Amino acid sequence: DAMVIQNPRYQVTQFGKPVTLSCSQTLNHNVMYWYQQKSSQAPKLLFHYYDKDFNNEADTPDNFQSRRPNTSFCFLDIRSPGLGDAAMYLCATSRDEWGATDTQYFGPGTRLTVL
Amino acid sequence: AQSVTQLDSQVPVFEEAPVELRCNYSSSVSVYLFWYVQYPNQGLQLLLKYLSGSTLVKGINGFEAEFNKSQTSFHLRKPSVHISDTAEYFCAGGGSNYKLTFGKGTLLTVNP
Repeated sequence: DAMVIQNPRYQVTQFGKPVTLSCSQTLNHNVMYWYQQKSSQAPKLLFHYYDKDFNNEADTPDNFQSRRPNTSFCFLDIRSPGLGDAAMYLCATSRDEWGATDTQYFGPGTRLTVL
Repeated sequence: AQSVTQLDSQVPVFEEAPVELRCNYSSSVSVYLFWYVQYPNQGLQLLLKYLSGSTLVKGINGFEAEFNKSQTSFHLRKPSVHISDTAEYFCAGGGSNYKLTFGKGTLLTVNP
């Protein structure tokens, strides 16, 4: 009965080789978030979707893109991964956009290694 | 702007001992506070949250936290910890928009 699923759990890519991370949810939530979490650091919000509306954080590099083809799925595309992009990528959902009060439900994360 | 400070990066304790993980916040707007737990190689799971009302909030796994407006704190407590409580704990704050601001985390290590 997993609610937020991320695939793959571990991803290895080469420097500069595009990579796509996947997230799906069974909660039918309106909002989906992508966070980057580097070792021993707090999760950092990259962007979020409220339904089909995309909201990018001001400091998210252009190298990071996202797609949400339907309510259930959301993808994180890293166009040209650098060594500094190695991190855990967390997907989360919430019922409403006011995630500040709504509980966010997190997936298990995808650990990205860049060689 | 909202900011959240976790004062301890690591807290080692012995099994069955009490524990307090400290969190302070600063905000000039409405305050909503959360504690999340992250077990190794897993995502974050909500422990408890304070939105309004009673300042003592009870969460899952026997944890509780107290919202203290005068001290701008939201410390997490458990009277008796287990080995299985070993994890990273994140305090987070939300204001009037969608964004959660996370603290840097506290690694709780429970030793036998």
